[in-house]
Parts: sequence; structure tokens; C-alpha cells
Amino acid sequence: QKEVEQNSGPLSVPEGAIASLNCTYSDRVSQSFFWYRQYSGKSPELIMSIYSNGDKEDGRFTAQLNKASQYVSLLIRDSQPSDSATYLCAVQNFNKFYFGSGTKLNVKP
Amino acid sequence: ETGVTQTPRHLVMGMTNKKSLKCEQHLGHNAMYWYKQSAKKPLELMFVYNFKEQTENNSVPSRFSPECPNSSHLFLHLHTLQPEDSALYLCASSQSQQETYEQYFGPGTRLTVT
Repeated sequence: QKEVEQNSGPLSVPEGAIASLNCTYSDRVSQSFFWYRQYSGKSPELIMSIYSNGDKEDGRFTAQLNKASQYVSLLIRDSQPSDSATYLCAVQNFNKFYFGSGTKLNVKP
Repeated sequence: ETGVTQTPRHLVMGMTNKKSLKCEQHLGHNAMYWYKQSAKKPLELMFVYNFKEQTENNSVPSRFSPECPNSSHLFLHLHTLQPEDSALYLCASSQSQQETYEQYFGPGTRLTVT
């Protein structure tokens, strides 16, 4: 079983729609959760971090964490073509850091 | 890209060559990391240094040799690599390895082994 699982996509949404990206993790004692955006040929860029159950909003991005279900998600409101990228979910447990394989998002104009 | 820098950005080397990758962070962080990113695979953590001390080595072959002379600099020395070692090598830093701090990545070195 992988530590972090993501649907590889691609997830296609029209411009202006809400994109919903999901991630599940296997280690119940995981402490911290992150979403990174990675454009093709570039390095991952941190866009959100979340540490406690519930929602965390930052601009057009909302991260949601449900530790009981071992589930973390990222919502992107008013999606723009510039949001087209691969989104990586990362989970930290003390000194261990695990990344998912990423979900490719395509936002169509 | 001024927070974490990496050089060179691209490297082509033969299987018998020796080369080094360099990483420098300007964020005042105490922990530094090497990751490998191969096509269609998750990021693989290779090494972790916390306050210059190596705290993680995820069963990385000895042909990869890390060095961390201080909290701002990290090197990855390469020798007798294999073609399957071709990948994007990413350096990252964070405030501390043990605490829940975000990692920030450098631009990466695209390595091709011929």
C-alpha cells in the first residue's frame, strides 16, 4: 500500500469552475499535510499547508483535512488556465515526508 | 528561485564520471533534503540533514554521497552512476526536520546518465 494515494488524472475542468483534488494517506499518526503545485519541467511549489481537521482557506484555494477518514483535499475556486499543473499531496509524520504521485489538472479556456 | 538555489541546472555525465550537485538555501533554515523525481513516480526522499547532521538515508546506493558542510549548503557527489539514475534531483530546506515546517524546493538539477 502506498503511503499517499492520488488519482493521477488528468482532471479537466472549464475555466471558472471549481477543481477538486483528493488525497488519502495510510499512516494514522501523520501530523502535517501539504499541497504543492508543479508545472511541467519545474520544481514543486508549496501552495497550502494544513495541520488540523477542517478547512483552511487562502485566496482561491481551500484545503480540507479529515484525519478520521485519512483524507485531505484541495479545492481551487474560479479555476484559471494558469492553474493547469500537477498537484502533489505530501504528508509528514515526524521525520518522514511522503509525496503522492500527483494529479494532473487541465483548466480549459 | 532565490530562496533555494541549485547548480548545475542540467548535467549530462557518463557512467564513469564523477560530478557534484550543489544546493544553497538563503532562508535561514536548519534542515536540508535531497529528493529524486523520476518520470511517473512519486518524489523519493534520499537524504536528510538536520543542523548539518545526517538523520535520514533511505537506502540510497553508495554511488550517491551527500555532504553538508553547514546549514546553508548541501552537496550530492555522484560517481559510477547507472542510466536508471537519470532523473530530476531536487534539494529542499525547512526550518527543522522534526517540527511541522513546510519544505521549500530549489529548481532542481536535470541529470542524464549516458
